[in-house]
Amino acid sequence: NAGVTQTPKFQVLKTGQSMTLQCAQDMNHEYMSWYRQDPGMGLRLIHYSVGAGITDQGEVPNGYNVSRSTTEDFPLRLLSAAPSQTSVYFCASSEPHETSLHFGSGTRLTVV
Amino acid sequence: SQQGEEDPQALSIQEGENATMNCSYKTSINNLQWYRQNSGRGLVHLILIRSNEREKHSGRLRVTLDTSKKSSSLLITASRAADTASYFCATTGNQFYFGTGTSLTVIP
Repeated sequence: NAGVTQTPKFQVLKTGQSMTLQCAQDMNHEYMSWYRQDPGMGLRLIHYSVGAGITDQGEVPNGYNVSRSTTEDFPLRLLSAAPSQTSVYFCASSEPHETSLHFGSGTRLTVV
Repeated sequence: SQQGEEDPQALSIQEGENATMNCSYKTSINNLQWYRQNSGRGLVHLILIRSNEREKHSGRLRVTLDTSKKSSSLLITASRAADTASYFCATTGNQFYFGTGTSLTVIP
């Protein structure tokens, strides 16, 4: 099993550009989520999904969209990138009901 | 914010010493988990303690939970240089919420 796979690993965007961060898991996990990690702020939940076709907002959803058309994939879209979105983004998945999270290796995004 | 807070923010110890990190949280929880993050990597799950448990052990890790004080502690015994990492607590109610982390440095 590959676990949770995130692509790309690094990305530089110009302000106003859009892009999609990809996340895929091969563990048949129902729960998937996106976090951003900033120095001194820990991990903050952006969006999450409890199953295909179901998504919901976390703590910091503004500027991001998600969709969950399949169990395996949970892409994160930046609609119009802003410098404040410079961060490291982590995708994570788990079996239902609060078992441990499995993390991808992260995407380091810089918006200039 | 529903995040927890770890204390201290940074900790530096000699190899062989014990390391203790604390986590405080704000809301009622179903369980609390501890994760480790090596520099530049994703988080890795270490241990889970349920809200009706008070203490749990796993190898050199010992976790305690006091739901009346909304706090938890992680003890790493006989630390090794390879334990150098950041450690995060995460609480689960409806969702996973992470604390701000403790950066542990173990000096060989």
